[in-house]
Amino acid sequence: DSGVTQTPKHLITATGQRVTLRCSPRSGDLSVYWYQQSLDQGLQFLIQYYNGEERAKGNILERFSAQQFPDLHSELNLSSLELGDSALYFCASSPRGDSAGNTIYFGEGSWLTVV
Amino acid sequence: DQQVKQNSPSLSVQEGRISILNCDYTNSMFDYFLWYKKYPAEGPTFLISISSIKDKNEDGRFTVFLNKSAKHLSLHIVPSQPGDSAVYFCAAAGGGAAGNKLTFGGGTRVLVKP
Repeated sequence: DSGVTQTPKHLITATGQRVTLRCSPRSGDLSVYWYQQSLDQGLQFLIQYYNGEERAKGNILERFSAQQFPDLHSELNLSSLELGDSALYFCASSPRGDSAGNTIYFGEGSWLTVV
Repeated sequence: DQQVKQNSPSLSVQEGRISILNCDYTNSMFDYFLWYKKYPAEGPTFLISISSIKDKNEDGRFTVFLNKSAKHLSLHIVPSQPGDSAVYFCAAAGGGAAGNKLTFGGGTRVLVKP
């Protein structure tokens, strides 16, 4: 158990809908990350928040947005869903916001299926 | 442009022998490297890491070697156990950008035969 908690574990929704994925980081971690893993793709970085502020952005679609709240939990909002958005979405956390020696721990993932 | 590559998609090894997984990178500004183990439909589990200022880090059965001049790192698992069967990802952090984005390799599937 990494200490990173994600809900829901599984989600099935229709095209055009909107969903929210939730993440609680490990105790004491200030950074939260979101990654996507599709069937034909590796782990793709979406976005990083550090202490409530956006720190780094990857290939996140405009239909997707995220935020980190004062209690440090984070939510990833996916809207106007398409079939191609079906994927495993991982949340991860780390103590700091930079890279050097800052190990990232992953949650179990939220499996999204768009039908 | 794949900045982190794992050129061997799979590896089969006998229980008790050594597993060697390789990873190459192109961005000389990466300053921290990590290895993760992953089972299907589960999150990556952190195994071991190495800072760019070191060339070796050891933790139990796992040793990571870093050759900065060759932009190459490897993970050695000795002895290999059936429970080690999984997909292994190397990841690199830093790269000159702000924040702590991890760039992952494509993974190597390891099968340890009893």
